[in-house]
Amino acid sequence: DSGVTQTPKHLITATGQRVTLRCSPRSGDLSVYWYQQSLDQGLQFLIQYYNGEERAKGNILERFSAQQFPDLHSELNLSSLELGDSALYFCASSPSGTVYGYTFGSGTRLTVV
Amino acid sequence: GENVEQHPSTLSVQEGDSAVIKCTYSDSASNYFPWYKQELGKRPQLIIDIRSNVGEKKDQRIAVTLNKTAKHFSLHITETQPEDSAVYFCAAGIDNQFYFGTGTSLTVIP
Repeated sequence: DSGVTQTPKHLITATGQRVTLRCSPRSGDLSVYWYQQSLDQGLQFLIQYYNGEERAKGNILERFSAQQFPDLHSELNLSSLELGDSALYFCASSPSGTVYGYTFGSGTRLTVV
Repeated sequence: GENVEQHPSTLSVQEGDSAVIKCTYSDSASNYFPWYKQELGKRPQLIIDIRSNVGEKKDQRIAVTLNKTAKHFSLHITETQPEDSAVYFCAAGIDNQFYFGTGTSLTVIP
């Protein structure tokens, strides 16, 4: 157990729908990172939050958004879902605004049908 | 931004042999180089990392080397075992961000 908790573990939804993925960072960690991993693909960085504020943005679609709440948990919102959005979505956390001490959660597998 | 290239994309070795995975990076400012192992459907797990002030680091059967001048770093696994079979990702970065390579699928044949 890495200490980073992601819910739900699995999610099946239809095209056009909206879903919310949740991540609770390891205790004491201030940074949360979101990644998308499609089938047989590498890890694509989406977005980072540090202590409630957006810190870095990667290849995140406009249909996707995220936020980090005062209790430091984060949510990734995916809307107008397409078949191509089916993927594993990982959250990672680190103690500070840096990548040192970085650890991944177990991921949410999203299937869009 | 940083561009990380990883080779090979697939690698098969006999049990007991060594495996080497190589990565190159583009941003000379990068100073942190972790390696992750990901088993099918599971989260990536850090197996070893190295910082730019170190040229080599070893942890039992796993070692990483870094050549800052050439901007490349490598993962070496010796005495491979079937449980080493997984996808391995390198990454290069600095401060608040690092970028992943595309992964190497390693198969250790018993």
